[in-house]
Amino acid sequence: EAQVTQNPRYLITVTGKKLTVTCSQNMNHEYMSWYRQDPGLGLRQIYYSMNVEVTDKGDVPEGYKVSRKEKRNFPLILESPSPNQTSLYFCASSFISGFNYGYTFGSGTRLTVV
Amino acid sequence: AQKITQTQPGMFVQEKEAVTLDCTYDTSDPSYGLFWYKQPSSGEMIFLIYQGSYDQQNATEGRYSLNFQKARKSANLVISASQLGDSAMYFCAMREGRGDYKLSFGAGTTVTVRA
Repeated sequence: EAQVTQNPRYLITVTGKKLTVTCSQNMNHEYMSWYRQDPGLGLRQIYYSMNVEVTDKGDVPEGYKVSRKEKRNFPLILESPSPNQTSLYFCASSFISGFNYGYTFGSGTRLTVV
Repeated sequence: AQKITQTQPGMFVQEKEAVTLDCTYDTSDPSYGLFWYKQPSSGEMIFLIYQGSYDQQNATEGRYSLNFQKARKSANLVISASQLGDSAMYFCAMREGRGDYKLSFGAGTTVTVRA
């Protein structure tokens, strides 16, 4: 089954304790991205990757890092989490076919930083 | 400037009735795509329907249809014959330009279907 797998689904952590949210896709998509969802703001892009070793900032990159060492994996790293990073996070992988773009989202990671 | 505007934070609809969710967008690029996603209380993002800027006809997928009015820059979602399982948050999103995969999302509309 074509899917994007995110782990963990839920995470409660303390301020300043480094954490990684993993994301893996099995569709051989080149493009992957991370979004955060906050009430009243919808989803906003954090970082994206066009291919292996190619990453770039989205709209809200502060406080986050990413890496893309393999095509299938795109982890999101919070080096020193703060309470304002409490949010629902989504990983997505994307493809283009002709003029059509398709997106597959992971199930989400609900992060609470206390 | 906000690229996607959803002006209805919440709506109630009676079971079996139709509901229209508003979405307006802002872009100067002639090539763009509009998406609607459903997010139930479990949190996952479920793709519902897509409309490309060059598509001549309004998109339809089962009970979902997209009322695309290009000149007004609106892409309203119509859900016909609402079911209790339609209660969820609904997001409108846009991708613009060629080769740009980024989605811009609206704030969302919460729909509650009443029995």
